[in-house]
Amino acid sequence: AQKITQTQPGMFVQEKEAVTLDCTYDTSDPSYGLFWYKQPSSGEMIFLIYQGSYDQQNATEGRYSLNFQKARKSANLVISASQLGDSAMYFCAMRFGSARQLTFGSGTQLTVLP
Amino acid sequence: EPEVTQTPSHQVTQMGQEVILRCVPISNHLYFYWYRQILGQKVEFLVSFYNNEISEKSEIFDDQFSVERPDGSNFTLKIRSTKLEDSAMYFCASSEAHYEQYFGPGTRLTVT
Repeated sequence: AQKITQTQPGMFVQEKEAVTLDCTYDTSDPSYGLFWYKQPSSGEMIFLIYQGSYDQQNATEGRYSLNFQKARKSANLVISASQLGDSAMYFCAMRFGSARQLTFGSGTQLTVLP
Repeated sequence: EPEVTQTPSHQVTQMGQEVILRCVPISNHLYFYWYRQILGQKVEFLVSFYNNEISEKSEIFDDQFSVERPDGSNFTLKIRSTKLEDSAMYFCASSEAHYEQYFGPGTRLTVT
């Protein structure tokens, strides 16, 4: 079965602290890709970061990093130095094999507290 | 910075009517997608399009749906006879040969 799971419906973090959003997946395909998207209350979907299954190093983009643990089948998003503008819904998504369609998790609503 | 655009931002239509949602993907991108998100739910894949044909589609994308790239810049999603359950946010996305998909701001479709 190919699926992606986000177990945290909501998370709170204090401004300037780091936060980890969990994402686990299940696939038997050796080739896959993992994505994180941010959806603010305005509704748009903002691409944050991508990790391929064969990438040797964990992906980083500014304050975002992906803690990719292949053996555990997890791809957690770490946001360092949280800002109030980081408050949003965060979706983990995955593509399987050579397919390009993305399968999304159920999302985590992050609230950054002042 | 180039971005995906979508029009209209909000469309209200009556059940049974046809709607066309429009998207302008990023200009050098090769792959185009439609996704939808019913209010409060996860984002669901509908269809992908490459080289002027559908490359993947989900079970949601039935005969009521069609996609077209009528010219070199636009990418459209047509719903022939809308149903109440088609009410959702519809996102267009595009990507280069690499896998990162960039989403447009979405069209909120309300079927009454």
